[in-house]
Amino acid sequence: DTGVSQDPRHKITKRGQNVTFRCDPISEHNRLYWYRQTLGQGPEFLTYFQNEAQLEKSRLLSDRFSAERPKGSFSTLEIQRTEQGDSAMYLCASSVGIGNNEKLFFGSGTQLSVL
Amino acid sequence: AQSVTQLDSQVPVFEEAPVELRCNYSSSVSVYLFWYVQYPNQGLQLLLKYLSGSTLVKGINGFEAEFNKSQTSFHLRKPSVHISDTAEYFCAVSLYSGGGADGLTFGKGTHLIIQP
Repeated sequence: DTGVSQDPRHKITKRGQNVTFRCDPISEHNRLYWYRQTLGQGPEFLTYFQNEAQLEKSRLLSDRFSAERPKGSFSTLEIQRTEQGDSAMYLCASSVGIGNNEKLFFGSGTQLSVL
Repeated sequence: AQSVTQLDSQVPVFEEAPVELRCNYSSSVSVYLFWYVQYPNQGLQLLLKYLSGSTLVKGINGFEAEFNKSQTSFHLRKPSVHISDTAEYFCAVSLYSGGGADGLTFGKGTHLIIQP
């Protein structure tokens, strides 16, 4: 098991273009999270899946953002009509266990630069 | 709503010296407290977490943190740092003991710089 994998590591795009990121969680982890980290800030929660169900969405997740986890395994995060303010590191995390036994494992992130 | 304040954006320390990274939190309800470390080009890794019981929590890599409810603080300490401890350290709170569900609220981070 190689941990949480995110692809691509870096993405440069022009304003107005659509981008899609992929996250492969650790095998058999039923929870998957997306966070966004801008320069000089800590990560901010975006959304959370329990298997294929999207259970929580932050107010940070505008209508231009959509996340899916169709088969309860990998997840995609799409940003439509990107804006310069979308430039950030997008982090994925997965977990297994509940309550005190839950532990999150983070991927290395996808760095998005919108020109 | 919860919030986390990390008072120092950057802390330079000489190798083998002790270090303390400060964290204060604000919440109207009880929360669980976490410290994460982010090494260059890597994902965040859990150092330790406070759930209940003893206010002194020991984590990985020789780090420990002390929960102080009256001061709403959760400072991270290490008695002797190593070059390999150079990283970004994040304090976080959550309503959930695993840090999951509706997510962790992170501070802005403290960059620990170890000088030889």
